[in-house]
Amino acid sequence: EPEVTQTPSHQVTQMGQEVILRCVPISNHLYFYWYRQILGQKVEFLVSFYNNEISEKSEIFDDQFSVERPDGSNFTLKIRSTKLEDSAMYFCASSEDSLTYEQYFGPGTRLTVT
Amino acid sequence: AQKITQTQPGMFVQEKEAVTLDCTYDTSDPSYGLFWYKQPSSGKMIFLIYQGSYDQQNATEGRYSLNFQKARKSANLVISASQLGDSAMYFCAMRENMNSGYSTLTFGKGTMLLVSP
Repeated sequence: EPEVTQTPSHQVTQMGQEVILRCVPISNHLYFYWYRQILGQKVEFLVSFYNNEISEKSEIFDDQFSVERPDGSNFTLKIRSTKLEDSAMYFCASSEDSLTYEQYFGPGTRLTVT
Repeated sequence: AQKITQTQPGMFVQEKEAVTLDCTYDTSDPSYGLFWYKQPSSGKMIFLIYQGSYDQQNATEGRYSLNFQKARKSANLVISASQLGDSAMYFCAMRENMNSGYSTLTFGKGTMLLVSP
């Protein structure tokens, strides 16, 4: 069964550094998402992406964040200057289209900012 | 106001018994979808079941069923015949504007389910 994959599984970075989290969505999916989950808290939507542009974003997704689909398979989340409060699990998800109800989640990347 | 409320931070159940995890939601949108996801200790989010606001019948998927009470705005997950592997965090989520291009999932805070032998 096809799966969403994410790399790395765990990233440790120093405050102020840039990080790039990588995701490979399911190959025939057209919509891509990033969510984050601060330890012990609920999952929060960050951004959705379709046709090479952002379709929705939350208040969390400020100028420090950006997303990109640099090639036909990868979908990346960049945090330009990390803060301690960016420490969280970041989930990538994908879906076939906007009307399909199921979003398939990847295993997540644990980001630790020190 | 919280869009998704899960009032049970933790639940305990014995193996082979049924358990109900509560979820209430708040929306004025007539077209919405309700979801349950399981998050085991590995951290991965696993889709369990979906209920559309216009669906006439309660959704079922194997041992999972969704007790959808639209007037009460509740979408409780029922797990029948609990298994040890069901021990996990369970999240209720909602998507509004199902007929539009908007696809954001809003999650509740989750319920930790522990199944004992």
